[in-house]
Amino acid sequence: EIVLTQSPGTLSLSPGERATLSCTANHIVSSNYLAWYQQKPGQAPRLLISGASSRATGIPDRFSGSGSGTDFTLTISRLEPGDSAVYYCQQYTDSPITFGQGTRLEIK
Amino acid sequence: QVQVVQSGAEVKKPGASVRVSCKASGYSFTTYYIHWVRQAPGQGLEWMGIINPSGGTTPTYAQKFQGRVTLTRDTSTSTVYMDLSSLTSEDTAVYYCARRGGIQGFDIWGQGTMVTVSS
Repeated sequence: EIVLTQSPGTLSLSPGERATLSCTANHIVSSNYLAWYQQKPGQAPRLLISGASSRATGIPDRFSGSGSGTDFTLTISRLEPGDSAVYYCQQYTDSPITFGQGTRLEIK
Repeated sequence: QVQVVQSGAEVKKPGASVRVSCKASGYSFTTYYIHWVRQAPGQGLEWMGIINPSGGTTPTYAQKFQGRVTLTRDTSTSTVYMDLSSLTSEDTAVYYCARRGGIQGFDIWGQGTMVTVSS
């Protein structure tokens, strides 16, 4: 099973700043089948990034993904108050599909 | 529009079973795999299993749920069903269905179904 570890656990930043969220896997994520999701309270997760770096439909270019192998990053530039949420990484290359434990992003 | 809509909240007693439905619309039902993910209160996301709505392959389940979960589909109504048996309080969670196509992640999610297990 591929275990994903996200850091930091919580991130508190101001509007306009840049957020850098990390996701590390204990085994190589083949084909870079790594996704990022945003989840706000009481809502279903929303797909942000697939294939480590491809933005999903309708996702603004402030959100970008990078990385390969075992180390992946989600970068959110020019933070807005609406970016407050929990962000999860997910690998979907291998069964069982697994998620990281999440990073909580707070906008001051 | 493209969406998957789930059935409503359920309250069950320990030992009972629950069925949650997931109805797809706005796209070709048999083209996209459907996954089930659950989220206990205040916790993260946990993958449960996957079904191919075309029926070409048998469903695959996370080992944790083997023997307790069954995924089925009805192509006439474009609906996938998730049955979970022998419920305990540990199964109290929001259950989501989500579709995945090709190399993408889970791009369309249901609204979630709260299942509460309580005596």
